Amino acid sequence: DVKVTQSSRYLVKRTGEKVFLECVQDMDHENMFWYRQDPGLGLRLIYFSYDVKMKEKGDIPEGYSVSREKKERFSLILESASTNQTSMYLCASSLGRDPLGSSDTQYFGPGTRLTVL
Amino acid sequence: AQSVTQLGSHVSVSEGALVLLRCNYSSSVPPYLFWYVQYPNQGLQLLLKYTTGATLVKGINGFEAEFKKSETSFHLTKPSAHMSDAAEYFCAVSTTGGGNKLTFGTGTQLKVEL
Repeated sequence: DVKVTQSSRYLVKRTGEKVFLECVQDMDHENMFWYRQDPGLGLRLIYFSYDVKMKEKGDIPEGYSVSREKKERFSLILESASTNQTSMYLCASSLGRDPLGSSDTQYFGPGTRLTVL
Repeated sequence: AQSVTQLGSHVSVSEGALVLLRCNYSSSVPPYLFWYVQYPNQGLQLLLKYTTGATLVKGINGFEAEFKKSETSFHLTKPSAHMSDAAEYFCAVSTTGGGNKLTFGTGTQLKVEL
């Protein structure tokens, strides 16, 4: 079974703090993704990565950055947390061996509920 | 650009009744379509997906969905609801050549009543 783990289930931070959310997958997947989930808005893609040290912006990258130094680990960084970044953050990974890469199933972690005070 | 519309943010059915969750998509190229389910306090897990071939797709837990190109729809059904089906359901789309980026709908919360 594919396993995607996230470093924390719940996190409380103060405005202006630097926040790191960690995600690890154990199935040698090429692709990794960070989404945020808000009621009534569904899931929105923040950043994704197709390879080590490679990243691409998703639909809502403002206020976020990412790091992928090792294949199995993808980190989401909030440089200076703000209250509007209070949300559920979901990490996902997918195989990535399909040349077109479009039909792969994404496997999700349990999520990190971040509250910024 | 692709998009997904899920009609009905909340759907309530009686146990044993038909479940129908609606999903319409917009895409300029042939789509790949997915249904994911999220149980309380958990991540998302795949129910089923359409890639190519047979337009009626069967998934886990008795769910199925039919791809209808003429209607740009991919509605999710289950003949008989069970209490354990109560969850939030998300429809998503990706496209050929679009990498593996998914565009999600806003979700439908399914409630199952006795």
